[in-house]
Amino acid sequence: SQQGEEDPQALSIQEGENATMNCSYKTSINNLQWYRQNSGRGLVHLILIRSNEREKHSGRLRVTLDTSKKSSSLLITASRAADTASYFCATGLYGGATNKLIFGTGTLLAVQP
Amino acid sequence: DADVTQTPRNRITKTGKRIMLECSQTKGHDRMYWYRQDPGLGLRLIYYSFDVKDINKGEISDGYSVSRQAQAKFSLSLESAIPNQTALYFCATSDATGINYNEQFFGPGTRLTVL
Repeated sequence: SQQGEEDPQALSIQEGENATMNCSYKTSINNLQWYRQNSGRGLVHLILIRSNEREKHSGRLRVTLDTSKKSSSLLITASRAADTASYFCATGLYGGATNKLIFGTGTLLAVQP
Repeated sequence: DADVTQTPRNRITKTGKRIMLECSQTKGHDRMYWYRQDPGLGLRLIYYSFDVKDINKGEISDGYSVSRQAQAKFSLSLESAIPNQTALYFCATSDATGINYNEQFFGPGTRLTVL
């Protein structure tokens, strides 16, 4: 079963606007990651946030993590047409095979020029 | 050259045929994974391997088998393909060490169609 669920499933914005995607998960995690996928291609790692971190930045990306609510958000600021892609959250779990990731169902972001 | 490569990139086959998808990596990572992606379902883990002698089932291993021939190679087989195995298949690798040890690196994918 899926661990993470992204919200919204699809998002359409204009270039220059900010895009916010949310991810909720079910169990305790070691870390949470965000990946990007251009249509039909492999996933590319964007950012990793650990369970003891609350916020992390990378360029135009800002990720927050609220472990009490079991949720994370990804903010892309000043979006560009090239940001059009699907975005997935993935949770790395505690215990056992901690190098496994469980992926959510993704948010499809369309940035209109 | 890409760090994680998959062959073939596209394959159309018929029900009942045996299919092998291959993955090679030059990243020197010990850990390798096979996922399938279906529309609206995200990625689901089929099998994973933490080193050459270690093979583990993921959440949807039925109908699949794998072989870790070397640290750099991890193959996925469909012994008798069926139409509901039509999907996009991804191989991924990760390092067991380092501050971001959990990050995974993906191949470009194999689009498999079973008629």
